[in-house]
Amino acid sequence: QQQVKQSPQSLIVQKGGISIINCAYENTAFDYFPWYQQFPGKGPALLIAIRPDVSEKKEGRFTISFNKSAKQFSLHIMDSQPGDSATYFCAASTFYDYKLSFGAGTTVTVRA
Amino acid sequence: KAGVTQTPRYLIKTRGQQVTLSCSPISGHRSVSWYQQTPGQGLQFLFEYFSETQRNKGNFPGRFSGRQFSNSRSEMNVSTLELGDSALYLCASRKTSGGGSDTQYFGPGTRLTVL
Repeated sequence: QQQVKQSPQSLIVQKGGISIINCAYENTAFDYFPWYQQFPGKGPALLIAIRPDVSEKKEGRFTISFNKSAKQFSLHIMDSQPGDSATYFCAASTFYDYKLSFGAGTTVTVRA
Repeated sequence: KAGVTQTPRYLIKTRGQQVTLSCSPISGHRSVSWYQQTPGQGLQFLFEYFSETQRNKGNFPGRFSGRQFSNSRSEMNVSTLELGDSALYLCASRKTSGGGSDTQYFGPGTRLTVL
């Protein structure tokens, strides 16, 4: 049973455009929501993370929006660049263990 | 600071064999978790070790086991390999105190192919 649902499966965006990836969860005990970026042949690398006590967090061109009541969170990639082409995973874990439950991943392709 | 290292990077085994994968965490990180990544099932948690003890375990059969040494290095073993065990096995380390203790840092993975 997948605890974190991620969409879309893939997306194509033009250089300079905005990429938006959405995730939803059911377990209300989740209190840590990271996003990971993975390039082919590499392990996932932490991009940005948020806790449910804030509704938005921005780091450079990457922004997480969090809606606790809807149990949804999303990643926005502003001014998308070809180097952003990668697979992005949302994840969640609880305060009592650090087992990450991952979404299925979104493959982002940025066209120059 | 060096990142998480995993050895070997690639392995080819045949059905029925066993395999051991190794992970060296970031210096000072005492928690090591293992994940399996496949195209069909995505990223799935295997287990976590802290202070040489298994703290948490995912839904994998007993053929999957691990251990952690006093220097925090960890090994994962899969016995009686099946074709479905072909995957990228990822190790992640985490510091267990202070700020940022939630963050897991992943290694490059070991690509296991079972023939």
